[in-house]
Amino acid sequence: DIQMTQSPSSLSASVGDRVTITCRASQGISNDLGWFQQKPGKAPKRLIYAASSLQRGVPSRFSGSGSGTEFTLTISSLQPEDFATYYCLQHNSNPPTFGQGTKVEI
Amino acid sequence: DVQLVQSGAEVKKPGESLKISCQVSGYSFTTYWIGWVRQMPGKGLEWMGSIYPRNSDIRYNPSFQGQVSISTDNSISTAYLQWNSLKASDTAMYYCARPASSYWGQGTQVTVSS
Repeated sequence: DIQMTQSPSSLSASVGDRVTITCRASQGISNDLGWFQQKPGKAPKRLIYAASSLQRGVPSRFSGSGSGTEFTLTISSLQPEDFATYYCLQHNSNPPTFGQGTKVEI
Repeated sequence: DVQLVQSGAEVKKPGESLKISCQVSGYSFTTYWIGWVRQMPGKGLEWMGSIYPRNSDIRYNPSFQGQVSISTDNSISTAYLQWNSLKASDTAMYYCARPASSYWGQGTQVTVSS
């Protein structure tokens, strides 16, 4: 199975900060990766697909990059509504596997 | 519009059986994998396993193999997650989701308590 190592597990940031979250795959997964945002009591929402494509309706301050084994999610200017937990999810192998999550706190 | 609609919250006792459901609409149910995701209280997301409805090919996360069963009823475009004997540690929110997509159910809360 493919393991996804996500870092950091949590971070503290302020409104307007640039935030970067990283996922590393245990083997190459091409660009078969998505990034999800989850707020308390809600289902996860996909922000990025195919490693770098912005989901329709998601603000452009979110961006993704990477291919192979190293991936990043960047929030260019953190907004109050962005405080949440973020997960990467690879679907190169079946079943898919998540990273451990990154909680973004004030 | 694509919709994944899950069955309602359940409260069960240890040792009881349970089957929760996820009814799909808006796409051809049999031509896409569909899976189940567990989220224990205060914890992260875990993909439990996936099924391909057309031929019932099932892939389990090794951590869940033998602990749950995944199935479908293609006549009603519904996927199921089943337990034969629940444990307190099965208390969690369970989501159905289509892999490599943005399509998720709303979640089913399962509480197992004596």
